[in-house]
Amino acid sequence: QVQLQESGPGLVKPSQTLSLTCTVSGASISSGGYYWSWIRQRPGKGLEWIGYISDSGSTYYNPSLKSRVIQSVDMSKNQFSLKLLSVTAADTAMYYCTRYDCRGTSCYPFDPWGQGTLVTVSS
Amino acid sequence: DIQMTQSPSSLSASVGDRVTITCRASQGIKNDLGWYQQKPGKAPKRLIYAASSLQSGVPSRFSGSASGTEFTLTISNLQPEDFATYYCLQHNTYPLTFGGGTKVEIK
Repeated sequence: QVQLQESGPGLVKPSQTLSLTCTVSGASISSGGYYWSWIRQRPGKGLEWIGYISDSGSTYYNPSLKSRVIQSVDMSKNQFSLKLLSVTAADTAMYYCTRYDCRGTSCYPFDPWGQGTLVTVSS
Repeated sequence: DIQMTQSPSSLSASVGDRVTITCRASQGIKNDLGWYQQKPGKAPKRLIYAASSLQSGVPSRFSGSASGTEFTLTISNLQPEDFATYYCLQHNTYPLTFGGGTKVEIK
């Protein structure tokens, strides 16, 4: 059974960088065909897709955040990571990591999900 | 971006009721749509993929259908554990976009 677990600081100061890691168990990130994704949910709001990184390192970032997002993958640790630069209070949210299955001719997002980690941006 | 207009934003229903939630896409997305359930304090969980395919392990009272750019999630015989917020997601065009959510509350 594939499981994902987010980790990282719960509090980040404005203008600094938010850094989160997602550890995958029960599957190998290097197995191919999956896009490892981040999604966030601001308090009391809906869901926003941040983007993905593949096992080969190819990325797609939501244009709404593209200028501030960097994603990376560490095969040796079976982890992928998110960096969000120059954060403001508007980046306060629950951040989820999840898997996007693109092994076949069609793609099927997002299953499973990590439990989420709350990041608050405040001085 | 493709806009997913979800309705209603909330509804009240009783155990045993049949509930229908709709998402309308701002342009054609074929059947590239999923439905997710989120309970308070929990991560979303996929219920339906490819508009009408039931995720393994999800009760058969959940079903999805599509007609053009309109997609429907139906919960027949609503159970206490179904009270949650439901989201649709289009994955036809980047960026992937979610509907605004429908909160299903107990009447």
